[in-house]
Amino acid sequence: DAKTTQPPSMDCAEGRAANLPCNHSTISGNEYVYWYRQIHSQGPQYIIHGLKNNETNEMASLIITEDRKSSTLILPHATLRDTAVYYCIVRSKPSNSGYALNFGKGTSLLVTP
Amino acid sequence: GAGVSQSPSNKVTEKGKDVELRCDPISGHTALYWYRQSLGQGLEFLIYFQGNSAPDKSGLPSDRFSAERTGGSVSTLTIQRTQQEDSAVYLCASSYSTGETYEQYFGPGTRLTVT
Repeated sequence: DAKTTQPPSMDCAEGRAANLPCNHSTISGNEYVYWYRQIHSQGPQYIIHGLKNNETNEMASLIITEDRKSSTLILPHATLRDTAVYYCIVRSKPSNSGYALNFGKGTSLLVTP
Repeated sequence: GAGVSQSPSNKVTEKGKDVELRCDPISGHTALYWYRQSLGQGLEFLIYFQGNSAPDKSGLPSDRFSAERTGGSVSTLTIQRTQQEDSAVYLCASSYSTGETYEQYFGPGTRLTVT
């Protein structure tokens, strides 16, 4: 699977948009970009995924560059409850480990009042 | 509907003892994963079950670790002769079959402390 690079931490003011970047310059054509988050003392939570096109759901938007070498997760109106570690994961077709996710260190997002 | 549940939520054990951790996946999910997360670290894949196929054990750190999944549903992760470095949060996740985009749903984890 392609390796991802994320900033270790970011701050965002409550009510503002949080834009979390992810670099995945070695991504190949059949690899999806997934985002999960982990709120303190909880299990990870799926947010969104995409292949080529931008995606939006009730939680967030995912913007993928045309060359697919980077992406941005956007939380349009961050709340204090969005404080969490956000993981960007690139996942390819199944290996022997099925779809086991390769979590890196992620970005620790702090939403401040 | 009910999510993934794990028990116990916390477990403190003495070094050298065996422990069993339980995971109840979401009904209908055929894929089940175990991960562990040591303090301040990312998630580390341990083992994967898909239906009735033989599990992929490639992530298990030593032969003290084993897991089984009975009837394609509940799974138990067993750690024998626990060591202090086994202290971590053990997370279970389940998903639908082998669809490429099926997201994994995680349980709350079991926090294991080996003293």
